[in-house]
Order: sequence, then C-alpha cells, then structure tokens
Amino acid sequence: GAVVSQHPSWVICKSGTSVKIECRSLDFQATTMFWYRQFPKQSLMLMATSNEGSKATYEQGVEKDKFLINHASLTLSTLTVTSAHPEDSSFYICSASFRGLAYYNEQFFGPGTRLTVL
Amino acid sequence: AQTVTQSQPEMSVQEAETVTLSCTYDTSESDYYLFWYKQPPSRQMILVIRQEAYKQQNATENRFSVNFQKAAKSFSLKISDSQLGDAAMYFCAYSWSQGAQKLVFGQGTRLTINP
Repeated sequence: GAVVSQHPSWVICKSGTSVKIECRSLDFQATTMFWYRQFPKQSLMLMATSNEGSKATYEQGVEKDKFLINHASLTLSTLTVTSAHPEDSSFYICSASFRGLAYYNEQFFGPGTRLTVL
Repeated sequence: AQTVTQSQPEMSVQEAETVTLSCTYDTSESDYYLFWYKQPPSRQMILVIRQEAYKQQNATENRFSVNFQKAAKSFSLKISDSQLGDAAMYFCAYSWSQGAQKLVFGQGTRLTINP
C-alpha cells in the first residue's frame, strides 16, 4: 500500500514553454502533498506544501508564479513549471502523507520526474 | 530554524560488515520525528526507519537500527551485515510532530558496498 505515482517520468521541453507534472496517490487519500526539487548529487529541497482544496504554501525563495501547484483532489496534485528556462532543469519529486495512527508524519514518495529544458 | 547535518558525504564498507552513518540536528522542539531515507540509483526514496522523539527506545528494522541521543541531538543509522543492495544515498530527515508535516533533509551520505 501507500503508492505514489508521478507522470511523466521524464520530460524535455523548449525554453519558454510550460510543463505540468502530475502526482497521484494510488491507494490512499492524501491530506497533504509535497513537492521537492533535487539537483544532481544534492539533497531534496522542499518547494511547497499543498493541502487538498487550499492554496499551496511555498518555501522561502520559491517563485509562486513560476511553480504553480494545484491540489484539486485527495489523490491528485499537479506542479506546473511556467515559462521554463534551462535553470529549471532538475529532478522533481512529490510525496504524499495522511494522518493516521500508524503513519504519523510519514511521507510516501513518487518516483520523480526529470525535467530538461533546452 | 531546524537543521539536519550529515557530516559524512561518502562512506564505504565491506559486504557483510557493519557501518554507521551519522546525523545531527538542531531543534528547540521536544517532540518530533526523525527518519532515515534511502535513495538508490533509481532515485526512488525509500523509508528505512523512523524514530519518535518521545520514545527512548531506539528503533530497529531488521538489519537497520538507530542510536538516538536526544540530549546530544544525534541520530545515527547502523547497518549490520551490509549487502550490495544497501548501496545508495542515505538521507537523515526531521519532521515536526504538530502542524506542517514537512521534512527537513540532511545533505546525504553516499554509501558504497565493496564486495
């Protein structure tokens, strides 16, 4: 159980275009979803936290207008990179969690999406 | 702000031997959660072990155990009988017990298993 999927797993786009990445919890209802960014050989950096039906909370330094997050349902969150540029190229990882006695604060991670902006 | 520090960028161990990965953290909270996550070459994050700060007993999961020293704010991971499949990046992470469940990750330690 507790499977999270991401789509696409790899995307290449031209500079100036927008790219949408989907994150789905397949077998549970995620009260909260998180989006991380990971540069090569570095750690995960939290970009934003989103709760179903409410606006995402962005971490300091993350551009809200550049990285649009929509958490439309308890099983789906999307990250849209708007007007992508080469410096946005990175590995994006989502995770999901839910409140429950056995899973306090545990996050279940998706397999990640590699974005390359040409 | 809460910070997590992993001072060992790389570690290596012989297969079947034991290795300990270090992690220290800084917090003013008394209740929180600590985690070790594994990221193999596939880059899928996998939870290795979790520790609740209010529990004095160290968590164990098969060959994985932690040494949780709350006063010293230290949370090391011991891997016994190391296997080739243990080769990965290991991240220590901190989470608040109340409010936002977000994770703060350390820099990571790359573990190599020598056959």
